[in-house]
Amino acid sequence: GESVGLHLPTLSVQEGDNSIINCAYSNSASDYFIWYKQESGKGPQFIIDIRSNMDKRQGQRVTVLLNKTVKHLSLQIAATQPGDSAVYFCAESQNTDKLIFGTGTRLQVFP
Amino acid sequence: DAGITQSPRYKITETGRQVTLMCHQTWSHSYMFWYRQDLGHGLRLIYYSAAADITDKGEVPDGYVVSRSKTENFPLTLESATRSQTSVYFCASRGTATGELFFGEGSRLTVL
Repeated sequence: GESVGLHLPTLSVQEGDNSIINCAYSNSASDYFIWYKQESGKGPQFIIDIRSNMDKRQGQRVTVLLNKTVKHLSLQIAATQPGDSAVYFCAESQNTDKLIFGTGTRLQVFP
Repeated sequence: DAGITQSPRYKITETGRQVTLMCHQTWSHSYMFWYRQDLGHGLRLIYYSAAADITDKGEVPDGYVVSRSKTENFPLTLESATRSQTSVYFCASRGTATGELFFGEGSRLTVL
């Protein structure tokens, strides 16, 4: 999603629910996509990646979906936990060269 | 310890001063990157390096200088700091087999 002013788009979910974080990417030539999680005061941490020859990839509790037709990427988190609260960034690149990041989405998990 | 480390973690300086942020990685990764992070802009690439003595501009290189004389180090220099360079700076590295970046903990720079 796009940010408005200084505020990140925020997704609020209840603990135990599934979360879906969306990302629109800009470069139709991008062939590698990656999701990062960033907790307050820390550097971004890798979650999952996907190449353009795939449309779905699953990890532990996370799934990334890629729709190249509309240049859309999503991250699904199953059974969201309080520890999932963070800012999530998608990033794109060509040939795994330099990664270009989106502006991020804040995920808030409430009990 | 193995990993990627940045120093200093916090720095306050004045407009016009030179500042160097250090980045060191112990994995012998070929690629290293510098990003800045500001509210509303996410992470923006400043410079990157594919190997020692090879550097290239990213999205926002103006006002910054980098060097890569050794594979493990990738310092970022602000030759004459400006208030607009107040930000959190992240260094990252990766090998050649994967696109995954490994990030440092960040350096918070304030320019008064």
